[in-house]
Amino acid sequence: EAQVTQNPRYLITVTGKKLTVTCSQNMNHEYMSWYRQDPGLGLRQIYYSMNVEATDKGDVPEGYKVSRKEKRNFPLILESPSPNQTSLYFCASSSKTDSYEQYFGPGTRLTVT
Amino acid sequence: DAKTTQPPSMDCAEGRAANLPCNHSTISGNEYVYWYRQIHSQGPQYIIHGLKNNETNEMASLIITEDRKSSTLILPHATLRDTAVYYCIVRVFNDYKLSFGAGTTVTVRA
Repeated sequence: EAQVTQNPRYLITVTGKKLTVTCSQNMNHEYMSWYRQDPGLGLRQIYYSMNVEATDKGDVPEGYKVSRKEKRNFPLILESPSPNQTSLYFCASSSKTDSYEQYFGPGTRLTVT
Repeated sequence: DAKTTQPPSMDCAEGRAANLPCNHSTISGNEYVYWYRQIHSQGPQYIIHGLKNNETNEMASLIITEDRKSSTLILPHATLRDTAVYYCIVRVFNDYKLSFGAGTTVTVRA
């Protein structure tokens, strides 16, 4: 089954404790992206990657890092999480040739206290 | 900058057609209209897209006006599972970024 998976689905952590949210897709997609969703602000893009070793900032990259060492994986790293990074996070992927449809993961709900 | 305007909410009776309007008066010639939906904090789901012709798939129909300044997403027989936030997005075909607005919250009632 074609899918985007994220782990963990739920995470409660404390300020300053480094964490990684993993994202993996099994569709051999070139493009992957991270969004965060906050009430009243909608979905905003954090980082995206056009292919392996090719990443770039989205609209709200501050406080986040990403890497793309393998085509299927695109982890989101919060080196020193703060309470304003409490949010719902989504990973997405799409094919270069069929870019009209982006596939989204199920989401990761992060709470930073 | 908001490229699309949608009503914040609408209700629909189960089994009836749901018609969701979207205004995109500043759309460029190479921009497509996309529709996604998000069911209760799940990941957004692609529904349909079009350039200028009307489009239909197994989920919905998309009607685009001749001047392309507005469009309507039609869910032909709404079910309770269609309750969701529906996003109308305008973008160039190969621009991978999706800019989500506030969308329309559609509530299907039994």
